[in-house]
Amino acid sequence: QVHLVQSGAEVKNPGASVKVSCASSGYAFNAYGINWVRQAPGQGLEWMGWISGYNGNTDYAQKFQDRVTMTTDISTSTVYMELRSLRYDDTAVYYCGGLHLGDLSPNDFWGQGTLVTVSS
Amino acid sequence: DIQMTQSPSSLSASVGDRVTITCRASQDISNNLAWFQQKPGKAPKSLIFRASTLQSGVPSKFSGSGSGTDFTLTISSLQPEDFATYYCQHYKSFPFTFGPGTRVDLK
Repeated sequence: QVHLVQSGAEVKNPGASVKVSCASSGYAFNAYGINWVRQAPGQGLEWMGWISGYNGNTDYAQKFQDRVTMTTDISTSTVYMELRSLRYDDTAVYYCGGLHLGDLSPNDFWGQGTLVTVSS
Repeated sequence: DIQMTQSPSSLSASVGDRVTITCRASQDISNNLAWFQQKPGKAPKSLIFRASTLQSGVPSKFSGSGSGTDFTLTISSLQPEDFATYYCQHYKSFPFTFGPGTRVDLK
């Protein structure tokens, strides 16, 4: 059975960085990609970017290009999303979700979400 | 960037109703479209990809159609567990943008 388990909630000061993990099990890590999507309180879904589990290639939404880095740790089948220079409007639930590598269509496994709160 | 719109933004329906949600892309995305269901406080759930292919385990009351710029999600007979917000998302080119969502609630 496939699982994506994300790290716990974080509270950060403005200007700080946060690193959220997404640990996978139950599937071949290098056969899929992982994308990150966030949802601010009461708002819709916002796509941030993706990383290939096969070769670590990434693509980021231009909005986050200068502040986000997505990485993989193959030894632990874990994907990380680091967001830097946090602002109040980065307060959101961050989700990781699986992608088919062929056409980058979404598959049916998603993490439970990680609440990141930016507050002074 | 490709922009996604959805209509309606919300709808009220009764159990057993047939519900249709429309999604439009600002340019041709072929069939590179997915539909998600999200319930309050929960992660999105992928229902459909490639415009019309159901994810494993998704009941056949859900169906998707369309190609190019215009797409629809249909729920053939609404059940209590289907009251949620539905999002379309394209994956034709980066960034993979979502529509603003359609909230389906109980009439």
